[in-house]
Formats: sequence, C-alpha cells, structure tokens
Amino acid sequence: DGGITQSPKYLFRKEGQNVTLSCEQNLNHDAMYWYRQDPGQGLRLIYYSQIVNDFQKGDIAEGYSVSREKKESFPLTVTSAQKNPTAFYLCASLNIGAGFSTQHFGDGTRLSIL
Amino acid sequence: KNEVEQSPQNLTAQEGEFITINCSYSVGISALHWLQQHPGGGIVSLFMLSSGKKKHGRLIATINIQEKHSSLHITASHPRDSAVYICAVHYNTDKLIFGTGTRLQVFP
Repeated sequence: DGGITQSPKYLFRKEGQNVTLSCEQNLNHDAMYWYRQDPGQGLRLIYYSQIVNDFQKGDIAEGYSVSREKKESFPLTVTSAQKNPTAFYLCASLNIGAGFSTQHFGDGTRLSIL
Repeated sequence: KNEVEQSPQNLTAQEGEFITINCSYSVGISALHWLQQHPGGGIVSLFMLSSGKKKHGRLIATINIQEKHSSLHITASHPRDSAVYICAVHYNTDKLIFGTGTRLQVFP
C-alpha cells in the first residue's frame, strides 16, 4: 500500500544542534508539505514543495530548511536558529492534479529538546 | 480570530451516545477534510467534502457551503473513537488551514 513514512517517530536534540526529519512517500505525489503542531494550536505550515528542486516558505519557516532533490523525499532540517523546536512535526502529500481527496498524512515525528 | 474554528474543544461521552463536532470557517474553500489524530500523533483522513453529506460506517460528515459550516457526527460512539478530531480546509489553494481540534473521550 502506498503511503508516507516519517522517521524517526521520536527525536531528541541538544540545544545548538541541527536535526533532520525524514519524509518519504511512494504515492507519486507531486506536492509535499511540512506542518508543525503545538499544544492547543492548529497545525501550521512550515514549508511546501509542488515540484522537484523547488520549494516555498509557509507561515512559520524561520529556523527551518528543506530540500526536494527527489519526488519521493522532502526532508526537513530544524536548525539551531529555531528557538522553540519542541513540537510535533507532520509531513503530508497531495496529487494536485487528481484532487484534494488524494491528501495523505504521515504518522509524524515528535521532537524534544534535552 | 482563527480562520477555522471548531467546537467543542473537549468532549466526553458515554459509550453509545450520538456525538456532534462542529467546524466553522471564515474563508472561501475548495474542500474540507475531517481528520482523526490518535494519541501517537498519526493523522488519518476520515472525509473530504466539497458539498453535501458523506457517510462511512458510524461516521457522517455534512457541509453547508452557504453557511460556511461543517459537522462530524458519530453514531453509537465507542471507546475506540476516542481521539482528536480535526477540521482542515483547502483555502482556494493546495495548502491546508487547520482547526485546533476537538478532543473526544468515550467512556465504557
């Protein structure tokens, strides 16, 4: 079955360290997204990519970076510039041409600062 | 004010009760999703609506485009329905705007 794989499920980071969250999809979706969830808040868009080698900032991109070298992969790096990185991170994908019913979500990565 | 508002924020029910969760939005949308998030965090899409009503098992979702309102109903609720239910809209783009979620606990 096709889907989105996020790894790891739990991640711990020391202050000042960069850390990369993995997101892989085998759905052949062109668009991929990273969202962040904080307690009591709705998920917010960090970065998105609609095509390989191109990506756009979302609403809360500061302190994060992404790459889209392959269609199936959209890793998110949380840099030391992100002052409050502890959160739940969710990756999603969509086949834009096929409609919104193709929206898929990963199982998420929970990042904590030691 | 959030563009997507859900109510209630928290909901407790006894097994077998009929449950309604509401979602109101203030923007023009292309589609609305109802999502389920279990304690581990993973999110499952329950419904995608652009008009009318959909039913899947004990779950029913409705949307009223004119009133900018959607509801998720659970009939004969069960403890395994305990989760956070999230409303999310495609705001005329491929990106989603999420509500803050409704935490549902169903007790035996």
